[in-house]
Amino acid sequence: EAGVVQSPRYKIIEKKQPVAFWCNPISGHNTLYWYRQNLGQGPELLIRYENEEAVDDSQLPKDRFSAERLKGVDSTLKIQPAELGDSAVYLCASSLNVAGSYNEQFFGPGTRLTVL
Amino acid sequence: LAKTTQPISMDSYEGQEVNITCSHNNIATNDYITWYQQFPSQGPRFIIQGYKTKVTNEVASLFIPADRKSSTLSLPRVSLSDTAVYYCLVAPVAGSARQLTFGSGTQLTVLP
Repeated sequence: EAGVVQSPRYKIIEKKQPVAFWCNPISGHNTLYWYRQNLGQGPELLIRYENEEAVDDSQLPKDRFSAERLKGVDSTLKIQPAELGDSAVYLCASSLNVAGSYNEQFFGPGTRLTVL
Repeated sequence: LAKTTQPISMDSYEGQEVNITCSHNNIATNDYITWYQQFPSQGPRFIIQGYKTKVTNEVASLFIPADRKSSTLSLPRVSLSDTAVYYCLVAPVAGSARQLTFGSGTQLTVLP
């Protein structure tokens, strides 16, 4: 079974430029998560989708970050414009949740973003 | 939001049992305790989850005392490949995912 797929794996951009990350979750998983992980720290949740609905985006910096999950499958996370402090690893995870409860999350390898 | 405290790092030798403790004094009634493992350049990987007493699977055991204010991840007979960062996560299984925030984790280094 294929795991969570993310692309690109690495991205280097200059500040003020836009950037987008793509995630394909495990087939059949209804819940999708985007995390940001800074160096030496644990992942920080940015947004969670239940199917195509964003049910928790309280920690997503909405002035520059946006996300979408069309048709409840693939998802894209965008930053526009990027700032130096956005340099981090962006992780996507998915899980099969039933009746509002969420279980084991399966993580992708992440996208390492460097903003110069 | 249950705050967790773990040791920053631990060293062990191959073949030994390793116990990593996580403190979560303000754990809520509906919180579960989950442990993840993360290797460099990879996303975290689920190890084990529990609510109380003891849970065991093929890779680890999780011990949770009656007051649930701490938990201990036990890795039997570690090998070099167990060198990784281990995260303790305390959050409700249901409800807002806002509480799905990992702490800084414990860097376990297994020495030959």
